Amino acid sequence: GENVEQHPSTLSVQEGDSAVIKCTYSDSASNYFPWYKQELGKGPQLIIDIRSNVGEKKDQRIAVTLNKTAKHFSLHITETQPEDSAVYFCAAGGGSYIPTFGRGTSLIVHP
Amino acid sequence: EAGVTQSPTHLIKTRGQQVTLRCSPISGHTSVYWYQQALGLGLQFLLWYDEGEERNRGNFPPRFSGRQFPNYSSELNVNALELEDSALYLCASSYRSGANTEAFFGQGTRLTVV
Repeated sequence: GENVEQHPSTLSVQEGDSAVIKCTYSDSASNYFPWYKQELGKGPQLIIDIRSNVGEKKDQRIAVTLNKTAKHFSLHITETQPEDSAVYFCAAGGGSYIPTFGRGTSLIVHP
Repeated sequence: EAGVTQSPTHLIKTRGQQVTLRCSPISGHTSVYWYQQALGLGLQFLLWYDEGEERNRGNFPPRFSGRQFPNYSSELNVNALELEDSALYLCASSYRSGANTEAFFGQGTRLTVV
């Protein structure tokens, strides 16, 4: 089955800095890569996703890049704000029909 | 439009008891996924239901079971509760089957086993 590795497990940045979270996947059949943000006490919220026919997708301060050859994808957050502090999960899907998640990255943005 | 709703939000059970958790998907969604999120761990896949059928299950013992009703709502049952079953149980729904479609999560049910 699919295996998703996510790094780092914790990321601490100053407000205004950029943050990058990286994920790798194992199943070359995976073709859909969503990112979720989970705030304390809440369920994960879909924030951006990318499909395998696209190399990059941007939505305001958030961007995701995908390298299918290397089987890795990344989340980029620019101009971070304290409200960006949360746990971020990457996922890969399409091959096994079960969305497989990374272990999560705890992002802390210091004011 | 209402999102995915789960009930109850919190509950406390004693070891050995049984529990039922409920999930209502977004209107029009036919697929429901259940995940377990233990403290400090990621999302562990439990069960996937689509069109009323169980399509796949994760690496969990048979005491974890569930079903999906004709209206696509779902319930997760856990028998013979163990302390390590304490976790946040998350339900997600998508409008069609396949892991290449957007899945939306509910707020989760926080289960504490004492």
